[in-house]
Amino acid sequence: QVHLVESGGGVVQPGGSLRLFCEASGFSFRNYALHWVRQAPGKGLEWVGFIRYDGRIEYNTDSVRGRFTISRDNSKNTLYLEMNTLTELDTAVYYCARGGSNTWWAGDYWGQGTLVTVSS
Amino acid sequence: IQLTQSPSSLSASVGDRVTLTCRASTGISSHLAWYQQKPGKAPKLLIYGASILQSGVPSSFSGSGFGTEFTLTISSLQPEDFATYYCQQLNSYPFTFGPGTKVDIK
Repeated sequence: QVHLVESGGGVVQPGGSLRLFCEASGFSFRNYALHWVRQAPGKGLEWVGFIRYDGRIEYNTDSVRGRFTISRDNSKNTLYLEMNTLTELDTAVYYCARGGSNTWWAGDYWGQGTLVTVSS
Repeated sequence: IQLTQSPSSLSASVGDRVTLTCRASTGISSHLAWYQQKPGKAPKLLIYGASILQSGVPSSFSGSGFGTEFTLTISSLQPEDFATYYCQQLNSYPFTFGPGTKVDIK
């Protein structure tokens, strides 16, 4: 049974940093790509970035502008999102989602999300 | 690549046939997915490759389209189908989402 669990969210001051985690189970983690997607309160979905099974990483540079770093540890079945220089605009629920070549990279399993609030 | 969805919202009744549209600012072949999201929940994949039904999704959902225009059709709306629907292009980075269509009860 595929399971994704995000953690690490919380309240952080503007300019601060936060590291999110996504722990995976129930599938061969190293063989899949993983997305980060966020959703600001009352708003739509925004793709943050993506790390493929081969380690290639792509970002939504329009929104994260070099402030966010995605990484993965296949030995721990864990995906990470390092976020720096946070602003109020980064306040959102952050989801991780599995993407595979079998679904043309679409997210077929999602975590429950973790809330990041940037506020002074 | 920008995605637009229409309508932004619609009201419908149980049993209605509903068609949602997603348009891309440039051609994306068949690299389009549709998701359903209910309040407070994570999105759920319905369709990928523009027309391929994800495993476990009812056959009342169908997708079509190629290039710049795509549709998601619900052949007979059920109570559990009232939700917001998003399209996402996976043709080129960044993998953008559309703004969503909210389907609510008439």
